[in-house]
Amino acid sequence: QQKVQQSPESLSVPEGGMASLNCTSSDRNFQYFWWYRQHSGEGPKALMSIFSDGDKKEGRFTAHLNKASLHVSLHIRDSQPSDSALYFCAAFNYGNEKITFGAGTKLTIKP
Amino acid sequence: EAAVTQSPRSKVAVTGGKVTLSCHQTNNHDYMYWYRQDTGHGLRLIHYSYVADSTEKGDIPDGYKASRPSQENFSLILELASLSQTAVYFCASSGLGGLDTQYFGPGTRLLVL
Repeated sequence: QQKVQQSPESLSVPEGGMASLNCTSSDRNFQYFWWYRQHSGEGPKALMSIFSDGDKKEGRFTAHLNKASLHVSLHIRDSQPSDSALYFCAAFNYGNEKITFGAGTKLTIKP
Repeated sequence: EAAVTQSPRSKVAVTGGKVTLSCHQTNNHDYMYWYRQDTGHGLRLIHYSYVADSTEKGDIPDGYKASRPSQENFSLILELASLSQTAVYFCASSGLGGLDTQYFGPGTRLLVL
């Protein structure tokens, strides 16, 4: 079982709507999180990092971290067709200093 | 923006053959990584390096070797390619290791027949 689990596996949202992606860790050594986005045929690109409890907002993207429950979420408001991509949650393991990626959520924005 | 390039972009190899994937970064980053991507598994770390002439094992190193001859270059070597190594391979670099953003290359699509 992966130590960083993402849900849902796929998500379809109408253009202009809100997309919500979730990520949960099963290891308390994972304390620092990133969200990466990968468009088809490209390498992943970092969207944002979140290291402290609470919300972090960057433009249309808001990440929320709850360290007690090891849960991080990403919310995309006013979704655009260009937001259609594979989204990865990545967590830094403080114990072995490695990054672990989740399996990803495929987001489709319907025009 | 940080730049990571990979070559080749795609390759067809035969089972049992040797495959070398190359990665070059111009970011002046100390850390470099090799990942493989498979549907349903996301990105899995194969090898990484934080200094030239030294490499470290990631989570799935079996069947792979890595080489870091300089700060800019990092290679992934499959000495005896197998069908199960068919995947997309990504190289990445970062400045400060695990607590820093990783910059990915465009990927190499490897098909082993």
